[in-house]
Amino acid sequence: AQSVSQHNHHVILSEAASLELGCNYSYGGTVNLFWYVQYPGQHLQLLLKYFSGDPLVKGIKGFEAEFIKSKFSFNLRKPSVQWSDTAEYFCAVILDSGNTPLVFGKGTRLSVIA
Amino acid sequence: ETGVTQSPTHLIKTRGQQVTLRCSSQSGHNTVSWYQQALGQGPQFIFQYYREEENGRGNFPPRFSGLQFPNYSSELNVNALELDDSALYLCASSLGGYGEGNTEAFFGQGTRLTVV
Repeated sequence: AQSVSQHNHHVILSEAASLELGCNYSYGGTVNLFWYVQYPGQHLQLLLKYFSGDPLVKGIKGFEAEFIKSKFSFNLRKPSVQWSDTAEYFCAVILDSGNTPLVFGKGTRLSVIA
Repeated sequence: ETGVTQSPTHLIKTRGQQVTLRCSSQSGHNTVSWYQQALGQGPQFIFQYYREEENGRGNFPPRFSGLQFPNYSSELNVNALELDDSALYLCASSLGGYGEGNTEAFFGQGTRLTVV
């Protein structure tokens, strides 16, 4: 069955530190990949997405992610985090057929401290 | 805002009761998916409706059921509520079908269900 692994349960960083959150998926077919963010008390928001083309995708708020097909990975990065980035981050994968469910990882809680 | 609205936003029910949650999908979207997000967990897929037909189901018992209406809005019904059903229930709409971009899901704000 399709699954998504996020390596870090909770990450604590100081402001201006660089961020990398790991995401690996287990599916050999053609996939679409997403990172969602959930700020405290708010709904899931799309940070960025990969469908095809350039494997380095840029999203909102300075986030980017790199799709490495050979490693089944889609890691999220940000060069310099801010306190306002404190949130839960979810990686999600779906088959590109569109009629299968979006499978989420368990999430990584990011806490940014001053 | 995603254009996906869910109601109610919060709900408290007693064990054994039944509950209906509602979702209005984004305009033009014919696919609605429901997810359960327990505290501290990622969203878990419950089921998906595509053009009023259920076309996928996760590992949830039959007391979780749903409907999709001709306007593509949807309901999630849960019978015989259990304490473990307490969670945030998320609805997501998408274009569905094949084609790049059709898989992008737009989420509502969720309904927080508490079973006591």
